[in-house]
Amino acid sequence: SAVISQKPSRDICQRGTSLTIQCQVDSQVTMMFWYRQQPGQSLTLIATANQGSEATYESGFVIDKFPISRPNLTFSTLTVSNMSPEDSSIYLCSVIKAGSGANVLTFGAGSRLTVL
Amino acid sequence: QQQVKQSPQSLIVQKGGISIINCAYENTAFDYFPWYQQFPGKGPALLIAIRPDVSEKKEGRFTISFNKSAKQFSLHIMDSQPGDSATYFCAASMNSGYALNFGKGTSLLVTP
Repeated sequence: SAVISQKPSRDICQRGTSLTIQCQVDSQVTMMFWYRQQPGQSLTLIATANQGSEATYESGFVIDKFPISRPNLTFSTLTVSNMSPEDSSIYLCSVIKAGSGANVLTFGAGSRLTVL
Repeated sequence: QQQVKQSPQSLIVQKGGISIINCAYENTAFDYFPWYQQFPGKGPALLIAIRPDVSEKKEGRFTISFNKSAKQFSLHIMDSQPGDSATYFCAASMNSGYALNFGKGTSLLVTP
């Protein structure tokens, strides 16, 4: 299975600032996603990161708030813009690797953001 | 709107006991039901999954029971061990797609 590295692993941010989270995979993957895991809540899909084109966002998430890049098959970034305390959450990168089975998601360890 | 409802929110089981976590869904188009296990500080990892053409799937001490008519599925952990202490998420997707709808999770503690 793919090995995913996320940076930063955690951060404390000030209201109104933006933070970019990086996701690096050790091998080429077919699909990359970004999830949010709020305290005591389930995992919610934010968007699918598409290589070389705009990400596909789920209902309730917009590009202005969560811009995403995916310049190649192994790397993606998620930016949380103009943060508020409600954005305090764990942000998880996940991937599907070709040949792993259509639905086998592998997750990174997550980036825990606290917004003051 | 929560498409997959999971219970209980937390569970304490003695070592050697059986842990049971239940999930229910409404969308009959769901056709893939995985369970993920998450340890503190780690991302969720696929534990076991089932499709609706079978009623039960077993992998070691972990078993999924699936009741299509009741739109329910459950995870049974036999001979629970302290190392099984983690958060467990059920999920569902349709058309065997990648867009998983997760339950809210169950925090399991297995006491020695």
